[in-house]
Amino acid sequence: GDSVTQKQGQVTLSEDDFLFINCTYSTTTYPTLFWYVQYPGQGPQLLLKVTTANNKGISRGFEATYDKGTTSFHLQKASVQESDSAVYFCALVDPNYAQGLTFGLGTRVSVFP
Amino acid sequence: EAAVTQSPRNKVAVTGGKVTLSCNQTNNHNNMYWYRQDTGHGLRLIHYSYGAGSTEKGDIPDGYKASRPSQENFSLILELATPSQTSVYFCASGDSWGSYAEQFFGPGTRLTVL
Repeated sequence: GDSVTQKQGQVTLSEDDFLFINCTYSTTTYPTLFWYVQYPGQGPQLLLKVTTANNKGISRGFEATYDKGTTSFHLQKASVQESDSAVYFCALVDPNYAQGLTFGLGTRVSVFP
Repeated sequence: EAAVTQSPRNKVAVTGGKVTLSCNQTNNHNNMYWYRQDTGHGLRLIHYSYGAGSTEKGDIPDGYKASRPSQENFSLILELATPSQTSVYFCASGDSWGSYAEQFFGPGTRLTVL
């Protein structure tokens, strides 16, 4: 079955630092890949998605691309703010079916002023 | 943006009791999903539905039933609750499949089974 590996469990940064979170995935299909963000006490919210390899998704200053060759998918932001503190999940879905998302374990990002 | 609501937001149940978690969405999405979130496991899919009257098993369906009586409502039922089902449960809805298959999540229900 599909799987997503997100090895960075926690990232601690100062404001204006560069953020980079990496995921790797395994699937037999051509997936759509997502980054979700979860704030305390809330459900995950879609941050951005990338439907095609080597294309870029951009939202709220975050960028994501995925590399089909290395089956990796990363999220980056040039300059983080304290308000970016949250848990970030990568996820994939087979776009040919309406089955659920397969999530990584999440990366807790803490940004300090 | 889809509006997904869940009730109750918090629930304490006893082992062996029956628990029903409810979800309502107002964006007329065809598909709805139930996930549970646990430390060390991320979010895992329990059941999903393609529309009223349909339910499908997800990755971890054992011990859970689901019911989709209408387009708007999707329930998760624990007939005989166990402490291992203590978790945070999220409902989500989404449009039909394809590259636009993003999902919109509710605020979650924290369930504690004693």
